[in-house]
Amino acid sequence: EVQLVQSGAEVKKPGESLKISCKGSGYSFPSYWIGWVRQMPGKGLEWMGIIYPGDSDTRYSPSFQGQVTISVDKSINTAYLQWSSLKASDTAMYYCARHRDFGELNWFDPWGQGTLVTVSS
Amino acid sequence: DIVMTQSPDSLAMSLGERATINCKSSQSVLHSSNNKNYLAWYQQKPGQPPKLLIYWASTRESGVPDRFSGSGSGTDFTLTISSLQAEDVAVYYCQHYYTTPQSFGQGTKLEIK
Repeated sequence: EVQLVQSGAEVKKPGESLKISCKGSGYSFPSYWIGWVRQMPGKGLEWMGIIYPGDSDTRYSPSFQGQVTISVDKSINTAYLQWSSLKASDTAMYYCARHRDFGELNWFDPWGQGTLVTVSS
Repeated sequence: DIVMTQSPDSLAMSLGERATINCKSSQSVLHSSNNKNYLAWYQQKPGQPPKLLIYWASTRESGVPDRFSGSGSGTDFTLTISSLQAEDVAVYYCQHYYTTPQSFGQGTKLEIK
């Protein structure tokens, strides 16, 4: 079974750093693009970016370029989303999701269970 | 970048009624190389991640009830639920994957009247 398991909820203060994870199993991890999607409280889905674990090729939405870093460690089948200095506006649920088929232009399935990030002083 | 706009923002229908959700892209998502529309639909229930319903604009995902159907081409797309069931209460999103950055519509909240 193809599965993505995300790290647990985080509570951080503004200015702190954070790295959340998404571990894939049940498939060839290097071969499929993985993406991150933000959902702010009570709001819709926002596409943040995608990474190809095979060579770490990464694409960002202009809205998130420079605000977050997407990375991967294919030796442990894990993708990451990282902030160097959190803001209160980063409070959201973050989902990772895999592309269904090979290739950069594809839909997301499956999805991880989500990681809730709360940033508050 | 392609902007996806859904209508309506919310919808209240009676059980058994037909529900229609529209999605419009700011430019065509029909790829001339394969004549496919790079458009997916997702359903999200409270407290859950999104669930894939439809891809290539009209291909129903395995296991999705056949009351869900997708149609449209180019810039205008529709998700139809032929006979609304109580378990269909959710927020529905369209997403284009024609280029990067990809993007989602703002969502349509479907409720029972």
